[in-house]
Amino acid sequence: TQLLEQSPQFLSIQEGENLTVYCNSSSVFSSLQWYRQEPGEGPVLLVTVVTGGEVKKLKRLTFQFGDARKDSSLHITAAQPGDTGLYLCAANNAGNMLTFGGGTRLMVKP
Amino acid sequence: ETGVTQTPRHLVMGMTNKKSLKCEQHLGHNAMYWYKQSAKKPLELMFVYSLEERVENNSVPSRFSPECPNSSHLFLHLHTLQPEDSALYLCASSRLGTSGGFGADTQYFGPGTRLTVL
Repeated sequence: TQLLEQSPQFLSIQEGENLTVYCNSSSVFSSLQWYRQEPGEGPVLLVTVVTGGEVKKLKRLTFQFGDARKDSSLHITAAQPGDTGLYLCAANNAGNMLTFGGGTRLMVKP
Repeated sequence: ETGVTQTPRHLVMGMTNKKSLKCEQHLGHNAMYWYKQSAKKPLELMFVYSLEERVENNSVPSRFSPECPNSSHLFLHLHTLQPEDSALYLCASSRLGTSGGFGADTQYFGPGTRLTVL
């Protein structure tokens, strides 16, 4: 079973700051997904990356898939209180079920 | 706006009770999932149904019993649970991938049932 490690586990920052969260594994993934989960809700998909070195942007969020397809990062520019939530990475390996990381709990203070 | 609904949203039960969690998806998907999310562990896949047939059972104790009567509905029957089973139980649905795999296509999650076992 592949293990996905996310770091940091917790992050508390002020509005306007930038941040990066990481998702790492020793395994190679066929694709990787990032979800955001708000309190009282289920996770919502933000992006799927499938190609090594791929970079995708979603407004102030930038997602990168490592060249070797073993790691990924999520960078948020000028964080806002609405970005507060639990960020989860999930990996799929050749059609197998999704495996989730432990998550990064982000709090953005106004 | 989620197309996956779960009821109840909160449930408190004793260790000797029997209860059921319900999930319904309105997205026309053909795969449904149960996950367990507890405070100190990553999201754990419990069961997967593809075309109403169970295709995955991740070593889940028999006190959890899933049922998928049709492609839109999924149940999780609970009996003689333990306090450590207290968690958020999430249902998800997706289309099967183009090659028949599960992970490639987007999974849509319901809001979850917060379960507390006393």
